[in-house]
Amino acid sequence: GAVVSQHPSWVICKSGTSVKIECRSLDFQATTMFWYRQFPKQSLMLMATSNEGSKATYEQGVEKDKFLINHASLTLSTLTVTSAHPEDSSFYICSARSVGQGKSGELFFGEGSRLTVL
Amino acid sequence: DAKTTQPTSMDCAEGRAANLPCNHSTISGNEYVYWYRQIHSQGPQYIIHGLKNNETNEMASLIITEDRKSSTLILPHATLRDTAVYYCIVRADNYGQNFVFGPGTRLSVLP
Repeated sequence: GAVVSQHPSWVICKSGTSVKIECRSLDFQATTMFWYRQFPKQSLMLMATSNEGSKATYEQGVEKDKFLINHASLTLSTLTVTSAHPEDSSFYICSARSVGQGKSGELFFGEGSRLTVL
Repeated sequence: DAKTTQPTSMDCAEGRAANLPCNHSTISGNEYVYWYRQIHSQGPQYIIHGLKNNETNEMASLIITEDRKSSTLILPHATLRDTAVYYCIVRADNYGQNFVFGPGTRLSVLP
């Protein structure tokens, strides 16, 4: 299947700093990528939909000024957690679909990025 | 998207078939049934999906009832590596639609 890669896989940062997470589709192009967040023992929660060349669409309750999303190309989307605080510590997961898959094609997920804010 | 209901947890003996049920009684005609699983601290892994016909691939089989209100994921010979949380998701067939994850079923394959 198609490969979606995230980097870094884990990161530890100090409170108040910003952290950037990259999501790449390695062998296909993706006009739309999705960013999820998962807290311990909970399910994945959609944060935002990232659209290539346009602004991201954020889910209710997700601060767009805190979680900056950039989808500058068909193979790369980035999530920047600005002024991170300990409550932002979570597992962040991106996903993407190939434009050539057809409307019912599956979503491919990255390996996830674990953020720990001290 | 229609909501799904899955048991919170299930156990299965290694080597036996694991049958994971999912109820989606409000599914619409254009919504597919997808199954993903998530092994601890990893991203979700695609397993299988279908619309109304039963489907089989190298990982699993998907049995969808005739009225499409429920389905069953079958892992024919469960191994310890199949221990994971399994998510049943129904989703309409359009490009921009995301996948909504419920709590899933935590499957424990026991030796």
